[in-house]
Amino acid sequence: GENVEQHPSTLSVQEGDSAVIKCTYSDSASNYFPWYKQELGKGPQLIIDIRSNVGEKKDQRIAVTLNKTAKHFSLHITETQPEDSAVYFCAASKNGGFKTIFGAGTRLFVKA
Amino acid sequence: DAGITQSPRHKVTETGTPVTLRCHQTENHRYMYWYRQDPGHGLRLIHYSYGVKDTDKGEVSDGYSVSRSKTEDFLLTLESATSSQTSVYFCAISRDGGTEAFFGQGTRLTVV
Repeated sequence: GENVEQHPSTLSVQEGDSAVIKCTYSDSASNYFPWYKQELGKGPQLIIDIRSNVGEKKDQRIAVTLNKTAKHFSLHITETQPEDSAVYFCAASKNGGFKTIFGAGTRLFVKA
Repeated sequence: DAGITQSPRHKVTETGTPVTLRCHQTENHRYMYWYRQDPGHGLRLIHYSYGVKDTDKGEVSDGYSVSRSKTEDFLLTLESATSSQTSVYFCAISRDGGTEAFFGQGTRLTVV
């Protein structure tokens, strides 16, 4: 089955710096890669996603890149702000598939 | 916010007792999921449902059962709770497989 590895587990950056979180997946049939942000005491919320027919997607300060050949995808947050502090999860699934497999999560600290 | 309600939000129970967690949605989404969240493991899929009375196992289904008698309700039952089932449980819904999942607020279960 699918396996998703996520690194780093903890990331601390200064406000205004960039943050990068990386994930790898094992199932070459996976074609949907969402990223979720989880704030303390809440459920995860989707912040950006990418499908396998696209190499990069950007939404304001957040971007995701996908390398299908290497089975890597990454989340990039630019100009980080204290409110970006949260746990971030990458995930992988297939169109029409029922199972979304999540990475272990990255706890991001943005220091003011 | 997507209309997902989990109940109870917190529960403490004794080892060996049965426990049922409820997920209720008002979005009429076909797919519903139960995840557990533990430090270092991210979100792991317990069971999922792709329609009324249609359910299947996820990664960590041992010791859990589910039922879905109505589109809006998905129940997770621990037949005989163990300390290893102490966790935060999240319900999620999605319109289709391989699309954005919307999460509930979570249920913190402690088995003593």
